[in-house]
Amino acid sequence: DTGVSQDPRHKITKRGQNVTFRCDPISEHNRLYWYRQTLGQGPEFLTYFQNEAQLEKSRLLSDRFSAERPKGSFSTLEIQRTEQGDSAMYLCASSLPPMETQYFGPGTRLLVL
Amino acid sequence: EDQVTQSPEALRLQEGESSSLNCSYTVSGLRGLFWYRQDPGKGPEFLFTLYSAGEEKEKERLKATLTKKESFLHITAPKPEDSATYLCAARSGNTPLVFGKGTRLSVIA
Repeated sequence: DTGVSQDPRHKITKRGQNVTFRCDPISEHNRLYWYRQTLGQGPEFLTYFQNEAQLEKSRLLSDRFSAERPKGSFSTLEIQRTEQGDSAMYLCASSLPPMETQYFGPGTRLLVL
Repeated sequence: EDQVTQSPEALRLQEGESSSLNCSYTVSGLRGLFWYRQDPGKGPEFLFTLYSAGEEKEKERLKATLTKKESFLHITAPKPEDSATYLCAARSGNTPLVFGKGTRLSVIA
Protein backbone atom coordinates (compact mmCIF):
# COMPACT_ATOMS: atom_id res chain seq x y z
CA ASP A 1 0.00 0.00 0.00
CA THR A 2 1.77 3.13 -1.23
CA GLY A 3 -0.42 5.77 0.38
CA VAL A 4 -1.86 8.93 -1.15
CA SER A 5 0.45 10.68 -3.60
CA GLN A 6 0.28 14.22 -4.97
CA ASP A 7 2.05 15.92 -7.82
CA PRO A 8 3.71 18.36 -8.01
CA ARG A 9 4.91 18.89 -4.46
CA HIS A 10 5.66 22.55 -5.11
CA LYS A 11 4.39 25.02 -7.69
CA ILE A 12 5.34 28.66 -8.22
CA THR A 13 3.25 30.58 -10.70
CA LYS A 14 2.48 34.12 -11.71
CA ARG A 15 -0.84 35.76 -11.00
CA GLY A 16 -3.31 35.05 -13.77
CA GLN A 17 -1.83 31.72 -14.83
CA ASN A 18 -3.69 28.40 -14.63
CA VAL A 19 -2.37 25.52 -12.54
CA THR A 20 -3.38 21.87 -12.22
CA PHE A 21 -2.63 19.46 -9.40
CA ARG A 22 -2.95 15.69 -9.39
CA CYS A 23 -3.86 13.30 -6.58
CA ASP A 24 -3.60 9.51 -6.61
CA PRO A 25 -5.55 7.99 -3.70
CA ILE A 26 -4.85 4.77 -1.86
CA SER A 27 -5.87 1.98 -4.22
CA GLU A 28 -9.45 0.79 -3.67
CA HIS A 29 -10.37 3.93 -1.71
CA ASN A 30 -13.47 5.21 -3.48
CA ARG A 31 -13.76 8.53 -1.65
CA LEU A 32 -11.35 11.34 -2.46
CA TYR A 33 -11.22 14.76 -0.79
CA TRP A 34 -9.50 18.06 -1.52
CA TYR A 35 -8.58 20.51 1.27
CA ARG A 36 -6.72 23.82 1.39
CA GLN A 37 -4.49 24.82 4.29
CA THR A 38 -2.93 28.21 4.96
CA LEU A 39 -0.26 28.98 7.53
CA GLY A 40 -1.43 28.59 11.10
CA GLN A 41 -4.81 27.15 10.11
CA GLY A 42 -6.27 23.69 9.94
CA PRO A 43 -7.20 22.17 6.57
CA GLU A 44 -10.42 23.56 5.04
CA PHE A 45 -12.66 21.33 2.96
CA LEU A 46 -12.98 22.14 -0.75
CA THR A 47 -14.73 19.21 -2.42
CA TYR A 48 -15.08 15.44 -2.43
CA PHE A 49 -15.81 12.57 -4.79
CA GLN A 50 -17.29 9.16 -4.36
CA ASN A 51 -15.98 7.19 -7.30
CA GLU A 52 -16.30 9.61 -10.23
CA ALA A 53 -19.20 11.61 -8.80
CA GLN A 54 -18.48 14.98 -7.19
CA LEU A 55 -20.85 14.92 -4.22
CA GLU A 56 -20.14 18.14 -2.36
CA LYS A 57 -18.42 21.46 -2.92
CA SER A 58 -17.57 24.08 -0.33
CA ARG A 59 -18.54 27.70 -0.81
CA LEU A 60 -14.77 28.28 -0.68
CA LEU A 61 -14.58 26.69 -4.11
CA SER A 62 -15.03 29.67 -6.42
CA ASP A 63 -15.81 29.40 -10.12
CA ARG A 64 -12.08 29.53 -10.83
CA PHE A 65 -11.64 26.14 -9.18
CA SER A 66 -12.63 22.89 -10.83
CA ALA A 67 -12.02 19.30 -9.82
CA GLU A 68 -12.44 16.07 -11.71
CA ARG A 69 -12.12 12.37 -11.09
CA PRO A 70 -12.95 10.98 -14.52
CA LYS A 71 -12.42 7.27 -13.96
CA GLY A 72 -12.92 7.11 -10.24
CA SER A 73 -9.21 6.74 -9.59
CA PHE A 74 -6.91 9.78 -9.66
CA SER A 75 -8.25 13.34 -9.38
CA THR A 76 -7.16 16.73 -10.68
CA LEU A 77 -7.75 20.15 -9.17
CA GLU A 78 -7.41 23.10 -11.54
CA ILE A 79 -7.23 26.74 -10.55
CA GLN A 80 -7.79 29.22 -13.36
CA ARG A 81 -6.56 32.82 -13.33
CA THR A 82 -4.66 32.35 -10.09
CA GLU A 83 -4.65 35.10 -7.48
CA GLN A 84 -2.17 35.76 -4.68
CA GLY A 85 -4.84 34.66 -2.20
CA ASP A 86 -4.72 31.18 -3.72
CA SER A 87 -1.27 30.64 -2.23
CA ALA A 88 -1.66 27.72 0.17
CA MET A 89 -1.01 24.01 0.67
CA TYR A 90 -3.49 21.90 -1.27
CA LEU A 91 -4.08 18.55 0.40
CA CYS A 92 -5.73 15.43 -0.93
CA ALA A 93 -7.13 12.63 1.22
CA SER A 94 -8.87 9.33 0.57
CA SER A 95 -11.05 6.95 2.53
CA LEU A 96 -12.97 3.69 2.13
CA PRO A 97 -16.46 3.58 3.62
CA PRO A 98 -17.69 2.49 6.07
CA MET A 99 -14.41 3.49 7.73
CA GLU A 100 -14.49 7.23 8.32
CA THR A 101 -10.76 7.79 8.57
CA GLN A 102 -9.23 9.95 5.85
CA TYR A 103 -5.60 9.44 4.91
CA PHE A 104 -3.76 12.45 3.58
CA GLY A 105 -1.12 12.91 0.92
CA PRO A 106 1.98 15.08 1.29
CA GLY A 107 0.29 18.12 -0.26
CA THR A 108 1.09 20.54 -3.07
CA ARG A 109 2.40 23.90 -1.94
CA LEU A 110 1.31 26.69 -4.29
CA LEU A 111 2.91 30.13 -4.36
CA VAL A 112 1.31 32.77 -6.58
CA LEU A 113 3.57 35.74 -7.29
CA GLU B 1 -22.50 25.34 12.22
CA ASP B 2 -20.01 22.66 13.28
CA GLN B 3 -16.99 24.05 15.12
CA VAL B 4 -13.75 22.66 16.51
CA THR B 5 -11.54 24.67 18.88
CA GLN B 6 -8.11 23.57 20.02
CA SER B 7 -6.09 24.84 22.96
CA PRO B 8 -3.47 25.88 23.65
CA GLU B 9 -2.31 27.28 20.30
CA ALA B 10 1.27 26.48 21.22
CA LEU B 11 2.86 24.40 23.96
CA ARG B 12 6.49 24.15 24.94
CA LEU B 13 7.52 21.19 27.11
CA GLN B 14 10.74 19.88 28.53
CA GLU B 15 11.57 16.34 27.54
CA GLY B 16 9.74 14.01 29.92
CA GLU B 17 7.21 16.67 31.02
CA SER B 18 3.74 15.17 30.46
CA SER B 19 0.80 17.34 29.37
CA SER B 20 -2.53 17.37 27.56
CA LEU B 21 -3.92 19.07 24.48
CA ASN B 22 -7.58 20.02 24.36
CA CYS B 23 -10.11 19.83 21.51
CA SER B 24 -13.61 21.22 22.09
CA TYR B 25 -16.22 20.44 19.48
CA THR B 26 -19.73 21.56 18.65
CA VAL B 27 -21.29 19.19 16.15
CA SER B 28 -24.70 17.61 15.93
CA GLY B 29 -24.54 13.86 15.78
CA LEU B 30 -20.81 13.17 16.07
CA ARG B 31 -19.65 10.48 13.68
CA GLY B 32 -16.01 10.52 14.60
CA LEU B 33 -13.40 12.64 16.33
CA PHE B 34 -10.00 12.42 14.66
CA TRP B 35 -6.48 13.29 15.74
CA TYR B 36 -3.69 13.91 13.27
CA ARG B 37 -0.05 14.87 13.58
CA GLN B 38 1.44 17.28 11.04
CA ASP B 39 5.12 17.99 10.56
CA PRO B 40 6.18 21.23 8.83
CA GLY B 41 5.63 21.12 5.08
CA LYS B 42 3.95 17.70 5.17
CA GLY B 43 0.42 16.34 5.07
CA PRO B 44 -1.42 15.32 8.25
CA GLU B 45 -0.60 11.85 9.55
CA PHE B 46 -3.48 9.90 11.07
CA LEU B 47 -3.23 9.05 14.77
CA PHE B 48 -6.63 8.11 16.25
CA THR B 49 -10.36 7.94 15.62
CA LEU B 50 -12.80 8.09 18.55
CA TYR B 51 -16.51 7.48 18.12
CA SER B 52 -18.24 7.62 21.49
CA ALA B 53 -17.89 9.30 24.89
CA GLY B 54 -15.69 7.32 27.22
CA GLU B 55 -13.63 5.81 24.43
CA GLU B 56 -9.84 5.86 24.79
CA LYS B 57 -7.04 4.90 22.40
CA GLU B 58 -3.29 4.71 22.93
CA LYS B 59 -0.23 4.68 20.74
CA GLU B 60 3.23 4.81 22.24
CA ARG B 61 3.38 8.00 24.35
CA LEU B 62 0.01 9.30 23.12
CA LYS B 63 -3.44 8.63 24.56
CA ALA B 64 -6.65 10.13 23.20
CA THR B 65 -9.88 10.36 25.18
CA LEU B 66 -13.38 11.57 24.31
CA THR B 67 -16.24 13.13 26.27
CA LYS B 68 -19.52 14.52 24.95
CA LYS B 69 -17.98 17.95 24.37
CA GLU B 70 -14.21 17.52 24.35
CA SER B 71 -11.33 15.32 23.42
CA PHE B 72 -7.92 15.27 25.02
CA LEU B 73 -4.60 14.12 23.65
CA HIS B 74 -2.39 13.17 26.56
CA ILE B 75 1.35 13.04 25.94
CA THR B 76 3.32 11.05 28.49
CA ALA B 77 7.06 11.67 28.91
CA PRO B 78 7.40 13.38 25.51
CA LYS B 79 10.57 13.28 23.45
CA PRO B 80 11.90 15.91 21.01
CA GLU B 81 10.65 13.79 18.09
CA ASP B 82 7.09 14.36 19.32
CA SER B 83 7.43 18.03 18.30
CA ALA B 84 4.78 18.74 15.65
CA THR B 85 1.39 20.35 15.15
CA TYR B 86 -1.46 18.19 16.43
CA LEU B 87 -4.76 18.62 14.61
CA CYS B 88 -8.19 17.63 15.81
CA ALA B 89 -11.14 17.17 13.44
CA ALA B 90 -14.80 16.22 13.84
CA ARG B 91 -17.37 14.76 11.49
CA SER B 92 -21.17 14.76 11.78
CA GLY B 93 -23.48 12.93 9.44
CA ASN B 94 -22.09 12.80 5.91
CA THR B 95 -20.35 16.15 6.21
CA PRO B 96 -16.64 16.51 5.56
CA LEU B 97 -14.12 16.85 8.36
CA VAL B 98 -14.07 20.14 10.27
CA PHE B 99 -10.60 20.86 11.61
CA GLY B 100 -9.35 22.98 14.47
CA LYS B 101 -6.37 25.27 13.99
CA GLY B 102 -4.04 22.85 15.75
CA THR B 103 -1.68 22.94 18.71
CA ARG B 104 2.02 23.48 17.94
CA LEU B 105 4.00 21.30 20.33
CA SER B 106 7.69 21.85 20.95
CA VAL B 107 9.57 19.37 23.15
CA ILE B 108 12.94 20.62 24.31
CA ALA B 109 15.75 18.20 25.22
